[in-house]
Amino acid sequence: RKEVEQDPGPFNVPEGATVAFNCTYSNSASQSFFWYRQDCRKEPKLLMSVYSSGNEDGRFTAQLNRASQYISLLIRDSKLSDSATYLCVGGGADGLTFGKGTHLIIQP
Amino acid sequence: DAGVIQSPRHEVTEMGQEVTLRCKPISGHNSLFWYRQTMMRGLELLIYFNNNVPIDDSGMPEDRFSAKMPNASFSTLKIQPSEPRDSAVYFCASSFGLVYEQYFGPGTRLTVT
Repeated sequence: RKEVEQDPGPFNVPEGATVAFNCTYSNSASQSFFWYRQDCRKEPKLLMSVYSSGNEDGRFTAQLNRASQYISLLIRDSKLSDSATYLCVGGGADGLTFGKGTHLIIQP
Repeated sequence: DAGVIQSPRHEVTEMGQEVTLRCKPISGHNSLFWYRQTMMRGLELLIYFNNNVPIDDSGMPEDRFSAKMPNASFSTLKIQPSEPRDSAVYFCASSFGLVYEQYFGPGTRLTVT
C-alpha cells in the first residue's frame, strides 16, 4: 500500500519565524512530488513542485531526499497568511498519493 | 482561465435519496479524479479516469457509488441510495496525466440527514 505520512500538528509558530515540515513516502518508485496548501473549507491548491535538486519559491524551499524517502518544506519569515494545512504528495505512473496534511498556525 | 468546475457547491439530502455530483475538468486535461475528504480520513481517492476511461475504482467505498465520464469535459459521481456516513466534501481534480500536478475544483459539500 502506497502511503505518504505527515505529522498532523498543529504547529504553532510566531510570525516571522522559520518553520519546517517533513513527510515520508513508502513507494520507492515515486517520481513526482508536490506540496499543496489547503485553507479551511477550501480546495487544495498547488504550492510548489519538489525537484530532486531542491527548489525555492520566495520564502518557500522544498527538498527531496530519495535515499531516506522524505520530502521537506521550509517556510522562512512566516506570515499570518501562511496559516493553513499543508499536504505532501508523492506518486508515479499509477497516480498521486496525498498525505493527510500538517496544520500550521502562525501567531501574531 | 476557467479552473475545474463542480456543481452543486452544497447538497443537503435525506438518507435513501440519490445524489449526483458534477464536474467539468480543465480543458485539455486528460486525467480526472474524484476524491472525498473528511476530518477523520483526510483526502481519499475514489476513482480516476484517463482519456475518459476509468482506470482505478478501488477507492469507491461500495456499490452505492458510481462514476461516469461520457466525454472529455464532463464527469458525474452518483450515490444511490445515500447514507449519513456519505456526508463529506467531494472534490474533483484534473491534470495532464497521472504523474502531473492536479488542479482541484471548489468541492461539493454533501450532508445526508
